Amino acid sequence: AQTVTQSQPEMSVQEAETVTLSCTYDTSESDYYLFWYKQPPSRQMILVIRQEAYKQQNATENRFSVNFQKAAKSFSLKISDSQLGDAAMYFCAYRRGYTDKLIFGTGTRLQVFP
Amino acid sequence: EAQVTQNPRYLITVTGKKLTVTCSQNMNHEYMSWYRQDPGLGLRQIYYSMNVEVTDKGDVPEGYKVSRKEKRNFPLILESPSPNQTSLYFCASSSLPGAGTEAFFGQGTRLTVV
Repeated sequence: AQTVTQSQPEMSVQEAETVTLSCTYDTSESDYYLFWYKQPPSRQMILVIRQEAYKQQNATENRFSVNFQKAAKSFSLKISDSQLGDAAMYFCAYRRGYTDKLIFGTGTRLQVFP
Repeated sequence: EAQVTQNPRYLITVTGKKLTVTCSQNMNHEYMSWYRQDPGLGLRQIYYSMNVEVTDKGDVPEGYKVSRKEKRNFPLILESPSPNQTSLYFCASSSLPGAGTEAFFGQGTRLTVV
């Protein structure tokens, strides 16, 4: 069975600094997708970034980028120039190709200090 | 506006009193799912549906029912709620998976069973 592990329950960062959130996963599949979701206090689940397993290039979305290490089954999220609005719970998620089911990690709560 | 709408957003009920949480999407998505979110456990899939009249169990289906009579609606039914079903619930929808299509989430329903 596939599993997703987020080993950092909480992280903190100073405004304008960079922070990296860790995620590892376990799968024997070759076709899959990885996601980072942000959950602010409003509880809304917001997609931050996605990565297709077949792509070697790391995904980037503005200040958010990933370090996808397929052999190591690692998928970390880097937030550059952190802003107060980045404070939230962040979930790493895995989805096997051509299925609907998302498997989530336990989340990392990010605090941003001015 | 593309959205997934859940109702109600907050619900307090008593043990054993049947309840339904509604979910509706306006994107003509084939796939719909229900997840529950618990502290330290992340989100776990309860039930999913690949199309009208096609539903199947996720990882934690005990105590829940679903139905998919129309493509846009996917209600979650708790026939005899118990306190261990106190949780935050999310409905999600996506088009046919492939190319890492994004899952859209509802606003969440905070359920308390006393």
